[in-house]
Amino acid sequence: DGGITQSPKYLFRKEGQNVTLSCEQNLNHDAMYWYRQDPGQGLRLIYYSQIVNDFQKGDIAEGYSVSREKKESFPLTVTSAQKNPTAFYLCASRTGRAAGELFFGEGSRLTVL
Amino acid sequence: AQTVTQSQPEMSVQEAETVTLSCTYDTSENNYYLFWYKQPPSRQMILVIRQEAYKQQNATENRFSVNFQKAAKSFSLKISDSQLGDTAMYFCAFLGTSYGKLTFGQGTILTVHP
Repeated sequence: DGGITQSPKYLFRKEGQNVTLSCEQNLNHDAMYWYRQDPGQGLRLIYYSQIVNDFQKGDIAEGYSVSREKKESFPLTVTSAQKNPTAFYLCASRTGRAAGELFFGEGSRLTVL
Repeated sequence: AQTVTQSQPEMSVQEAETVTLSCTYDTSENNYYLFWYKQPPSRQMILVIRQEAYKQQNATENRFSVNFQKAAKSFSLKISDSQLGDTAMYFCAFLGTSYGKLTFGQGTILTVHP
């Protein structure tokens, strides 16, 4: 079945450590997105990519990094520079057509101890 | 910059009644798309309805319809005959066609009471 797979679902890390969240899609979608969700703040855009080897900062990119070396993969690294990384992270993808809806993964819950 | 505002943090409705969720946005683009997404307790995001800005006719999907007012930059969602399964957080989202950036509002928690 086509879809988006995020891993791991739950992740714990110590302060000062970098951690990478995986996002893989087999929908042949051109665009991919990373969002952060905190209680009461909705979904905030971290990074997005419309084509391979290209990506743009979203509204809260500081402390995060991404890569887009393959069409199907868009990993997110939460660096030690991110001051409050504990959150729920959602990855999504869509076709290149303008009205294409966003398909979401099941999310990754990151907790910093 | 594009922004999306949902001014109702929480709403409640009785089963079988109608409820309207509000959304306003700000953009300098003329061509864009608007979406309503639903996030139930499972946290899986589900598309409810979409609207193309160039279409004057309001989108409808079964019990869900929108009131799109382009000049006022308003995009409200009406849920008719509310069901218990409609209980969820609802997000309004804006897709600017120029840069492919998709921005979400803060969300509205809707509770349907039996």
